[in-house]
Amino acid sequence: GNSVTQMEGPVTLSEEAFLTINCTYTATGYPSLFWYVQYPGEGLQLLLKATKADDKGSNKGFEATYRKETTSFHLEKGSVQVSDSAVYFCARLRDDKIIFGKGTRLHILP
Amino acid sequence: DTGVSQNPRHKITKRGQNVTFRCDPISEHNRLYWYRQTLGQGPEFLTYFQNEAQLEKSRLLSDRFSAERPKGSFSTLEIQRTEQGDSAMYLCASSLTGASRGEQFFGPGTRLTVL
Repeated sequence: GNSVTQMEGPVTLSEEAFLTINCTYTATGYPSLFWYVQYPGEGLQLLLKATKADDKGSNKGFEATYRKETTSFHLEKGSVQVSDSAVYFCARLRDDKIIFGKGTRLHILP
Repeated sequence: DTGVSQNPRHKITKRGQNVTFRCDPISEHNRLYWYRQTLGQGPEFLTYFQNEAQLEKSRLLSDRFSAERPKGSFSTLEIQRTEQGDSAMYLCASSLTGASRGEQFFGPGTRLTVL
């Protein structure tokens, strides 16, 4: 089965709301973890990453902390903007390949 | 622009035809990956190269699919006798071995539609 599970979308929020997109993973050891973002009509972009337990990745106001106790890597942002509307993918590294979750579509309303 | 590039960006073909896609990685990257993304799903790994050597192929890659990277630079992905189920976005990514713990840089993708 899929070794990355993320919350299903779509998620619809108003501008300036707090965002959490949950992600959990299954793994032996401590793989690198990633959040990728796909804006409408564009390719996948790396949003942030964490390479070891307790690391916090951050970028563009987004944060995610590598939690080995809960095997989680939840994505958070304190105040979302309309421009954050996109599809977000949680992912992990396995044997040099990236394993992606199914993606969570985020809509931010003005 | 020194990112990963893919051509064509869109391809529409009739069932049974052959198609070929090209990926040009970031120039100093020695690893090149192909993924497939269907609607509403995350990308799924197909195959990858280190330099010109194809190191792994997914079970998703049927005999109708072949990928090459003859000089260790650009890569091609060919699909023979296309089927409607091949319709998807085909993504290419590249990386540098040992750098940034596995970070891969993705191209814009080639969207294939099989009629």
